[in-house]
Amino acid sequence: NAGVTQTPKFQVLKTGQSMTLQCAQDMNHNSMYWYRQDPGMGLRLIYYSASEGTTDKGEVPNGYNVSRLNKREFSLRLESAAPSQTSVYFCASRGGGSDTQYFGPGTRLTVL
Amino acid sequence: QKEVEQDPGPLSVPEGAIVSLNCTYSNSAFQYFMWYRQYSRKGPELLMYTYSSGNKEDGRFTAQVDKSSKYISLFIRDSQPSDSATYLCAMSAGSGGSNYKLTFGKGTLLTVNP
Repeated sequence: NAGVTQTPKFQVLKTGQSMTLQCAQDMNHNSMYWYRQDPGMGLRLIYYSASEGTTDKGEVPNGYNVSRLNKREFSLRLESAAPSQTSVYFCASRGGGSDTQYFGPGTRLTVL
Repeated sequence: QKEVEQDPGPLSVPEGAIVSLNCTYSNSAFQYFMWYRQYSRKGPELLMYTYSSGNKEDGRFTAQVDKSSKYISLFIRDSQPSDSATYLCAMSAGSGGSNYKLTFGKGTLLTVNP
């Protein structure tokens, strides 16, 4: 039982490049989330998927798109990366009748 | 006023000290309260989960919720250097609809010195 996994762990992009961050969970959870974490800003919700087939914007969705590929997988895409998107990105999942969320190890993204 | 306020610290204590970490909140609908621990360069991990008011104890950790004051606390007894981490409070109004989201504090950085 790996919990929540994220790939890649690290990534360096140039301004304007695109990339997709991958997230998968093996806990059969219905809900999945993408956050970014910046110094002094805390965790900020980018997008979430309350259940398979649905996605909704969070607090800071601009510049990002998401896909809930199936119940296990939820990807985050940066179409045209900007330096302001330099951050640590965390995926999380929630399920089992509880409000607690379980986080992945994170992806450290630098946009030059 | 932010929905959740948490003193960012940093907080530095000697090994063996009792540590008190706190959050205040403004949304009276919150009824589920969590504490997460985040080690440097790692993802947050769930430490404590409580529902409504009261206390919950787990080993050296005690979580307290006072809904009348909109105040939650995490106490760490006999603190150890391995407790050095950032502690995040989180809360929600309950499952369903837009309430699937958690509201997080910004975290308190704790260092326990040997």
